Amino acid sequence: DTGVSQNPRHKITKRGQNVTFRCDPISEHNRLYWYRQTLGQGPEFLTYFQNEAQLEKSRLLSDRFSAERPKGSFSTLEIQRTEQGDSAMYLCASSLAAVQETQYFGPGTRLLVL
Amino acid sequence: GQQLNQSPQSMFIQEGEDVSMNCTSSSIFNTWLWYKQDPGEGPVLLIALYKAGELTSNGRLTAQFGITRKDSFLNISASIPSDVGIYFCAGQYGGSQGNLIFGKGTKLSVKP
Repeated sequence: DTGVSQNPRHKITKRGQNVTFRCDPISEHNRLYWYRQTLGQGPEFLTYFQNEAQLEKSRLLSDRFSAERPKGSFSTLEIQRTEQGDSAMYLCASSLAAVQETQYFGPGTRLLVL
Repeated sequence: GQQLNQSPQSMFIQEGEDVSMNCTSSSIFNTWLWYKQDPGEGPVLLIALYKAGELTSNGRLTAQFGITRKDSFLNISASIPSDVGIYFCAGQYGGSQGNLIFGKGTKLSVKP
């Protein structure tokens, strides 16, 4: 399977715990995006990388959210001190940088904070 | 921030009927994309549009990039039960720094 993969697919945690999600993009794609999707809404942009550089992070929801892409391949999204409002689907997408680009999404990680 | 208005919010149709949904924006977009999402899964790309006026088909699906660059529509012909799902429009505009702006989705239900 050469598509975008995300792990884990589901995560249940208790409020206050830290969680980390992983995204593996399509191998030749140099851009990687993180989105959050809540029930009944479309995905909402959080941050993105081109290679290992994080080019936009102002949309991360709070300073409890951070993302890395240390070698320009896979990426991790960490949420510290989780809150119940963090419960959502976290989606990763990848693309080839272009003036007009097409983003391909992974299956998502469903987070439930109790 | 920028928002997309997607309509209708939901549709209940009979198998075999044609479906039409659309998206409008207040800004000029340079890319329009249509995705389908099944429950518990990520969005799957259906059609990508890159030029104003462009009309593109993918099987029974047809989408158009509006001439004003502020709208797009998606048509599904001869619907079948597996068309059930949520359809999202998404676009990129000059100020979006590469990220996609999504509509709120159109939930499609098909009665056999």
